[in-house]
Amino acid sequence: EIVLTQSPATLSVSPGERATLSCRASQSVGRYFAWYQQKPGQAPRVLIYDASNRATGIPARFSGSGSGTDLTLTISSLEPEDFAVYYCQQRSNWPITFGQGTRLEIK
Amino acid sequence: QVQLVQSGAEVRKPGASVKVSCKASGYTFTTYYMHWVRQAPGQGLEWMGIINPSGGTTDYAQNFRGRVTMTRDTSTSTVYMELSGLKYEDTAIYYCARTPEGHQLAHFDYWGQGTLVTVSS
Repeated sequence: EIVLTQSPATLSVSPGERATLSCRASQSVGRYFAWYQQKPGQAPRVLIYDASNRATGIPARFSGSGSGTDLTLTISSLEPEDFAVYYCQQRSNWPITFGQGTRLEIK
Repeated sequence: QVQLVQSGAEVRKPGASVKVSCKASGYTFTTYYMHWVRQAPGQGLEWMGIINPSGGTTDYAQNFRGRVTMTRDTSTSTVYMELSGLKYEDTAIYYCARTPEGHQLAHFDYWGQGTLVTVSS
C-alpha cells in the first residue's frame, strides 16, 4: 500500500501568515490526492481534490500543488478558523490511504 | 442537501460485534459508492472498505477482512457496517463517507457525523 508521510507533525504559525504543509508518498500518486481539514469533534472536510481543485465553498486562500511523490497544501493568509488538523489522502491505488496528519496551531 | 446521518454511540465487550448504520438523503442513493473510515482516539484516518449501494458488492481493506461486513438497504437508503470479534484497539470513531458519483477510488465529498464505538470490559 502507498504510505503517506506528512511533515511537520505540528506547525506553529501566526494568523495572517502563510502555512505550507507537506505530504510525501512512498510511490507516485500522480495528481490523485486530496487534502482534508478536521476540527475537534467534527468529521473531516475536503479542501482540495485531484491535487489542485478546490472543493465547493472552500476559500481561495487554500491551494494545492505537486504531483508524483511530493504534495503540498498552502494556506496563503491564516484565518483564526484555519487552525486544525490537516490530512492528505491518495486515490491512486487501492487501498485508499491517509497521511498521519499535521496539526496547525496558533503561534 | 446531502446528509449522511449515523447511528448513536455504542459500547461493547471484547469479542462482541457492533453494527453501525448510515442513512443517506438528498441524492440518488444507488449512484454513489459509500466507504467506511475509522479514527482511533487522537489518531489518524484509516480506510476500512467500500460498498456499491446499487448491487451491494463490497471490498474490504486487508486489515479488516474476515471481521467486517458492509451491507445496504436500498428501501431506506441506509448502509451498514458490522465489525465482529471486537478488540480494545477497535475503540474509535467510525465514519461513513461518500465518493463523487460513479467513482469508487476518489476523494470523499460528504461524511457522516461519526459513531463512537467503545470496546470495554
